[in-house]
Amino acid sequence: AQSVTQLGSHVSVSEGALVLLRCNYSSSVPPYLFWYVQYPNQGLQLLLKYTTGATLVKGINGFEAEFKKSETSFHLTKPSAHMSDAAEYFCAVIRSYTGNQFYFGTGTSLTVIP
Amino acid sequence: EAGVAQSPRYKIIEKRQSVAFWCNPISGHATLYWYQQILGQGPKLLIQFQNNGVVDDSQLPKDRFSAERLKGVDSTLKIQPAKLEDSAVYLCASSLDMRGNTEAFFGQGTRLTVV
Repeated sequence: AQSVTQLGSHVSVSEGALVLLRCNYSSSVPPYLFWYVQYPNQGLQLLLKYTTGATLVKGINGFEAEFKKSETSFHLTKPSAHMSDAAEYFCAVIRSYTGNQFYFGTGTSLTVIP
Repeated sequence: EAGVAQSPRYKIIEKRQSVAFWCNPISGHATLYWYQQILGQGPKLLIQFQNNGVVDDSQLPKDRFSAERLKGVDSTLKIQPAKLEDSAVYLCASSLDMRGNTEAFFGQGTRLTVV
């Protein structure tokens, strides 16, 4: 079974509109969840992570995500999209409490329409 | 703080040739990873080192891929011989340690094209 699933390989939003990128994870993995962003020809940059504590996590560039154990979800949101948000977004989990091996979803490409 | 350094950035080779990629992790990071990212897919873990020891290489095609981190710092990933399906971006990442909540920092990657 997939450890992490991203729904929607491509998402388009208008500039200023809400961004919602979906991520569901397997309940068999530890609750260590991450969102990374990848700009063209660049490596991955951490947006935010949930490990313990408050379930609403705030990250860089105005993004946030909420850990919902009952729904096994960790969706990424941003209230108002900016042109510079256009990129590939990856949800990732760590599949064991030791080892710190990251497993990534297939990614969601975000397009922002002016 | 310097980030994860990788070289080369781009490489084009013919199938059946060999190629090597180099990675210098962030200073003090004990854990180093090599990921393969095929176009349109998420990164896939190839191998993970803790210092100079291999933690996980279960997804490394060992008949053609090899990696080493002899002194527990820099690492080299080699493909010999290359196949067309090896065309991908190879990402190196490092983290401070192997605790499950430790962020991984990624290099810019090496884009390999096998023709």
